[in-house]
Amino acid sequence: DTGVSQDPRHKITKRGQNVTFRCDPISEHNRLYWYRQTLGQGPEFLTYFQNEAQLEKSRLLSDRFSAERPKGSFSTLEIQRTEQGDSAMYLCASSFSGQGYTFGSGTRLTVV
Amino acid sequence: QKEVEQDPGPLSVPEGAIVSLNCTYSNSAFQYFMWYRQYSRKGPELLMYTYSSGNKEDGRFTAQVDKSSKYISLFIRDSQPSDSATYLCAANSGNTPLVFGKGTRLSVIA
Repeated sequence: DTGVSQDPRHKITKRGQNVTFRCDPISEHNRLYWYRQTLGQGPEFLTYFQNEAQLEKSRLLSDRFSAERPKGSFSTLEIQRTEQGDSAMYLCASSFSGQGYTFGSGTRLTVV
Repeated sequence: QKEVEQDPGPLSVPEGAIVSLNCTYSNSAFQYFMWYRQYSRKGPELLMYTYSSGNKEDGRFTAQVDKSSKYISLFIRDSQPSDSATYLCAANSGNTPLVFGKGTRLSVIA
């Protein structure tokens, strides 16, 4: 197992388009988290899953954002009708029961 | 007030110096405290993990937590240019998602 994998590494999209990111966690980990990080800021929590259940969503997660984790394996984060303010690094992390998160390298989204 | 506050720096030190990085937090329920290192355009990497108050040492790194003052510290001894990165403190109460500080950008000059 090579850690948490995120795809794509970088996405450039036009305002108003939809984008989808994928995260493959460490296979033994039951929890998966999505965070967003903008320049000069720490990661901000978006949502997390325990197995396939989405347990918590941040108020940052507007109705344009949706996340899924079918069968408790990989997860996808979709942003509909992207806005320039959505430009950020989207980080995925996984853990076993909430301790010691392992992060992926992130997907950098640029909305033009 | 953010739950975890961290001075963003930047902090610049000569090679070999002792570095002190600090955070404060406001949520009394926090019991788990972590330090992550993040290189440019990479994801955060877990450095130190501490439960409740006390010290933890790992090589050149020492993490301290003082729950009475809600203060978290990371010390780096004999700092190296390869330690140049952004250091993020984070905390949670166990089952809640980690809350991060803004990060402190550190430069170690050879």
